[in-house]
Formats: sequence, C-alpha cells, structure tokens
Amino acid sequence: GEDVEQSLFLSVREGDSSVINCTYTDSSSTYLYWYKQEPGAGLQLLTYIFSNMDMKQDQRLTVLLNKKDKHLSLRIADTQTGDSAIYFCAGLEYGNKLVFGAGTILRVKS
Amino acid sequence: DTGVSQDPRHKITKRGQNVTFRCDPISEHNRLYWYRQTLGQGPEFLTYFQNEAQLEKSRLLSDRFSAERPKGSFSTLEIQRTEQGDSAMYLCASSLGESTEAFFGQGTRLTVV
Repeated sequence: GEDVEQSLFLSVREGDSSVINCTYTDSSSTYLYWYKQEPGAGLQLLTYIFSNMDMKQDQRLTVLLNKKDKHLSLRIADTQTGDSAIYFCAGLEYGNKLVFGAGTILRVKS
Repeated sequence: DTGVSQDPRHKITKRGQNVTFRCDPISEHNRLYWYRQTLGQGPEFLTYFQNEAQLEKSRLLSDRFSAERPKGSFSTLEIQRTEQGDSAMYLCASSLGESTEAFFGQGTRLTVV
C-alpha cells in the first residue's frame, strides 16, 4: 500500500512563498492531493493533480509532481497569515481510499 | 447544500460506554467514507460505503466498531465498550461515484476518560 511522508514544520514570513514537500511510495496512485486543516476543523480540499501531469497551477497554489523521484510539492505564493494551518499530502489508493501523510504545520509570521 | 455534516462535534464519554456518531453526506454523493485522526497524525481510512453497501473495512476497525448506512444516505459509526485509545477525531467524507474529489465534514472529536 501507499506510504506518504512529509516534512513536519515550516515557518515563513507573510508575503514570502511557502513550499511544502511530500514523498510517496506507490507509483500507481492515479491522483495526489493537498488538503488544509485549520485547528479543530475538518479537511479542506485545496487542489489535486493527476499522475500524468507535471504541474498544476490554481491561483496562488502551484503543485509540482516529479514521478521519477515520487516527490510532490505545494507552493503557496504570497503567503498570508490565514494560510497558517496543517497541510496534508494524500495519495489515492484503489477503492478511492486516501492515504495521508502526517501533515506539515505551516506557521506564517506577520 | 451545506456540505458534509457530522454530529456531534464533540463527545466526552467514560471508558466502557457506547457512543454513536452520525454523518450526513452531500446529498447526491453515493460514496461515504469514515476516517480516524489521532493527534499529530494524518487521517487513517476506516471504512467506506457505496450507497448502502459497506465495501471495505480497514484492519483498524475492530469488532467494537460498526458502521451502517441503511438507506444509502446518512451513516452512523458506533463504538462499543470505548477505550482510551479510541480518543481521536472521527472524520466523514463523501464523493460522487469514482469522482476524484472527496469532501470532508468537520469531524467528531471523541475523548474517552
């Protein structure tokens, strides 16, 4: 099955770019996702990328996928204090089950 | 539609008691998932339904856990004889068929004392 790993913590200044990294093991995952979780809340789907794509851009978010290295990243441009949250990378397994990493805590300093 | 709804948001129970949580998915979504999230970890898959059929259960789902979706709409997750290790956030998600997008509810935070 899929195993997903993420860096645990990232601190950036407001206005800078944030880059959150993720590695996964199962190359058969057809889709890879980024979810955001604010304190005490559920998960919000931010964006996802199909495994045959290298890049996807959605407003301030850019997802890069390196299939050879099984590496996924999420770049947030012009990071704001409201972006402070936990970000989860997830791969899609057979049966539409999501396999999540442990999450990266993003702290944005004003 | 206001999205996936879970009830209650918080539940404190004594060890050994039974608890039941409810999830109302987005109305046209035929797939419903339960996940469990412990502190400092990502969500882990527990089980999922397509309409009223429970298609898969994780090994995490012990005999004390049972989930139902009787009419293919809302779902309940019951935990019998709760243990302290059951303390976690229980998340419900729904999707439309083979859709790539699963939408999560706010979760039910269970504390077993």
